Amino acid sequence: GAVVSQHPSWVICKSGTSVKIECRSLDFQATTMFWYRQFPKQSLMLMATSNEGSKATYEQGVEKDKFLINHASLTLSTLTVTSAHPEDSSFYICSARVGGGTLSSYNEQFFGPGTRLTVL
Amino acid sequence: SQELEQSPQSLIVQEGKNLTINCTSSKTLYGLYWYKQKYGEGLIFLMMLQKGGEEKSHEKITAKLDEKKQQSSLHITASQPSHAGIYLCGADYNSWGKLQFGAGTQVVVTP
Repeated sequence: GAVVSQHPSWVICKSGTSVKIECRSLDFQATTMFWYRQFPKQSLMLMATSNEGSKATYEQGVEKDKFLINHASLTLSTLTVTSAHPEDSSFYICSARVGGGTLSSYNEQFFGPGTRLTVL
Repeated sequence: SQELEQSPQSLIVQEGKNLTINCTSSKTLYGLYWYKQKYGEGLIFLMMLQKGGEEKSHEKITAKLDEKKQQSSLHITASQPSHAGIYLCGADYNSWGKLQFGAGTQVVVTP
């Protein structure tokens, strides 16, 4: 089946530092990846859409200069939390959408295991 | 007002019994996704529905999308402990794949 990995699975950092989170589709190509944020006992909130070869599009209220997204290839997107502060502590989850080529799973969307960020 | 409502918020079911979770949208859906999540972990893809009246099944889980494409249900037959977790429906309103999620349903399966 379609597998999406995230690295790291958890990270603790000091306030003011930057943290990079990687999202990889392991066995399929994903022209589009998404980044979500989840607070404790709440549902997922979409942060941004990451398109291979173009700039990411951000949801209203998400600071693009704080959450830098790069979609370097059809299997890799990265989210960098710049100058992290305690309020950025959260569970970040990426998803990858199946593009063309596999009709049976076209448009299906698979999620990574998440990255728990704690900013001290 | 909420565009996507999921119910119930939580469900306790005895092992072997059936359960149903509903997801209702105030707008017509392009697609509806069902996922399962264990607290603090990623989402496990269950099913995606795109056509009005569509129904899909996998093992003991069946999902349906109504003809109007505004309401979906997830039904589990003869629940097992492995079915415990948080079930989330995600709505795609415009084919872009940007999902808006329901609040989730916590399912507990008792012996």
